[in-house]
Amino acid sequence: AQSVTQLGSHVSVSEGALVLLRCNYSSSVPPYLFWYVQYPNQGLQLLLKYTSAATLVKGINGFEAEFKKSETSFHLTKPSAHMSDAAEYFCAVSESGANSKLTFGKGITLSVRP
Amino acid sequence: SQTIHQWPATLVQPVGSPLSLECTVEGTSNPNLYWYRQAAGRGLQLLFYSVGIGQISSEVPQNLSASRPQDRQFILSSKKLLLSDSGFYLCAWTPITGANVLTFGAGSRLTVL
Repeated sequence: AQSVTQLGSHVSVSEGALVLLRCNYSSSVPPYLFWYVQYPNQGLQLLLKYTSAATLVKGINGFEAEFKKSETSFHLTKPSAHMSDAAEYFCAVSESGANSKLTFGKGITLSVRP
Repeated sequence: SQTIHQWPATLVQPVGSPLSLECTVEGTSNPNLYWYRQAAGRGLQLLFYSVGIGQISSEVPQNLSASRPQDRQFILSSKKLLLSDSGFYLCAWTPITGANVLTFGAGSRLTVL
């Protein structure tokens, strides 16, 4: 079985500040890990994914995440927040290999203050 | 390139009425197809997935059903809606091989009154 924990439901940062969204996972086998972003009333869009290659993964819009097996974490970061980053962010885990279903965390809403 | 379409985008239905949400994928063959529901503050819940025509797996017992009459068509249905069926419904697909990257449709917002 696999699971994802995203602590807290809301993070607020100032424009230009560091963004850090935390994700911890549980998986009995080597995982694939994903971050998705959802803007209001839209579907989810893939930000980045880890599939057992480089542990530091770069995604779209300046986001990156680092896979840390020892900490079972896959935290999402961005050095400088922009107003357009305000959205809901979901971490997800799947077993490695094709046709494995994704399990999502509950999501974190990011607000960016001017 | 591949695209995914969902409709209707918004739906307001009375309790006890039927439901049909449709999803189609273009530009690929034999996709794995998924229906998720997103309720406020509860993340995404996988409702159904399908690996082929007529093959439907249900993840949770509920008032809904799904069908896949064609390779790239996935339909979510209910015979009688409940208030608790309200939510944002998302269709998604993955290729049959690869790294399980889900591509989502724009979603259908259902309000049951």
